[in-house]
Amino acid sequence: GAVVSQHPSRVICKSGTSVKIECRSLDFQATTMFWYRQFPKQSLMLMATSNEGSKATYEQGVEKDKFLINHASLTLSTLTVTSAHPEDSSFYICSARDGGKDFQPQHFGDGTRLSIL
Amino acid sequence: AQSVTQPDIHITVSEGASLELRCNYSYGATPYLFWYVQSPGQGLQLLLKYFSGDTLVQGIKGFEAEFKRSQSSFNLRKPSVHWSDAAEYFCAVEEYGNKLVFGAGTILRVKS
Repeated sequence: GAVVSQHPSRVICKSGTSVKIECRSLDFQATTMFWYRQFPKQSLMLMATSNEGSKATYEQGVEKDKFLINHASLTLSTLTVTSAHPEDSSFYICSARDGGKDFQPQHFGDGTRLSIL
Repeated sequence: AQSVTQPDIHITVSEGASLELRCNYSYGATPYLFWYVQSPGQGLQLLLKYFSGDTLVQGIKGFEAEFKRSQSSFNLRKPSVHWSDAAEYFCAVEEYGNKLVFGAGTILRVKS
């Protein structure tokens, strides 16, 4: 159980393009999803917390207009990198927590490797 | 400030040898504690978690971890390492309702 699917796994696109990444909880309802960014040889950095039906909470230093997050259902959150530039190239990972039970750990997707040319 | 420390950036062990990865945290109260494993280019897989109760917790793939309140530690152990265990391991802590904070990670290499 507790499977999180992230799509696509890899994206290569030109500078100026907007890219959408999907994060789905396959076998549970996730009232809260999280988006992380991981730079090479570094740990995960939380970008934002996504709550179903409400606006995302962004961490300090993360541009809200650059990284648009939508959590329209209990099983799907999307991250859109708008007008992407080479400095946005990174590994993006989502996670989700089962909201229907007592406190549960976050379960992670397999990540999306974003490369902006 | 809340922090998680994994003092070993790299560890190399021989296949079949025992393994211990260290993790220390700095929190006011006992947080929730986790160990995750990440293979190259992949997401994170939960190995085990500690919420309360027995301080020795068993996880998947033969891993275990022991919570020691007096030392603010949550070290990960495995009695006999397999080559497939080579990966990066992250210790993480969370206070209820707050965000998950990760350590810097420890890269495990396994010698055959």
